[in-house]
Amino acid sequence: EADIYQTPRYLVIGTGKKITLECSQTMGHDKMYWYQQDPGMELHLIHYSYGVNSTEKGDLSSESTVSRIRTEHFPLTLESARPSHTSQYLCASSEGGTGGYTFGSGTRLTVV
Amino acid sequence: AQTVTQSQPEMSVQEAETVTLSCTYDTSESDYYLFWYKQPPSRQMILVIRQEAYKQQNATENRFSVNFQKAAKSFSLKISDSQLGDAAMYFCATRSEKLVFGKGTKLTVNP
Repeated sequence: EADIYQTPRYLVIGTGKKITLECSQTMGHDKMYWYQQDPGMELHLIHYSYGVNSTEKGDLSSESTVSRIRTEHFPLTLESARPSHTSQYLCASSEGGTGGYTFGSGTRLTVV
Repeated sequence: AQTVTQSQPEMSVQEAETVTLSCTYDTSESDYYLFWYKQPPSRQMILVIRQEAYKQQNATENRFSVNFQKAAKSFSLKISDSQLGDAAMYFCATRSEKLVFGKGTKLTVNP
């Protein structure tokens, strides 16, 4: 079944650690996105990609980085985690310019 | 730039009753799409209903329907015969290039 997968589902990590949040989709979608969801549940676009080797920063400035080496894979990396990075991170993909997005289950990150 | 406004941070409804969630938007695009997404607690965000802006007919998906008023830039969601499983955050969104979300409405369903 076509879907989008995020791992880990929950992560608690110490300050200063490097982490990578994984996102993979099996639908062959060219467009992929990372959202940060704050405690008030508002969604902020932090990164997006329209295809392999294409990445752009979103509306909300983020210290994270992304890569898109394969169509199906769009990982997000934090080189040095800080408590301010504590949040839920949602990955999504879409097939075209007008369709809805398909979302992963999210990664809830806590930096202590 | 596109903006989406959901003026109701929280709403509640009795089981089996009907509730309407409000959404207004602003866009300079002539070709765009509108969506309602549902995010249950600690669960995946899922698409509830979608409306093409060029279509006058309101979209319907089972118990979910929209009232799309293009001139007023209004896109409300009506949930009929509310069920306990409808309890969730509901996000209104519009898309021309990228999807832009409102801040969400938390819906509580009381038994």
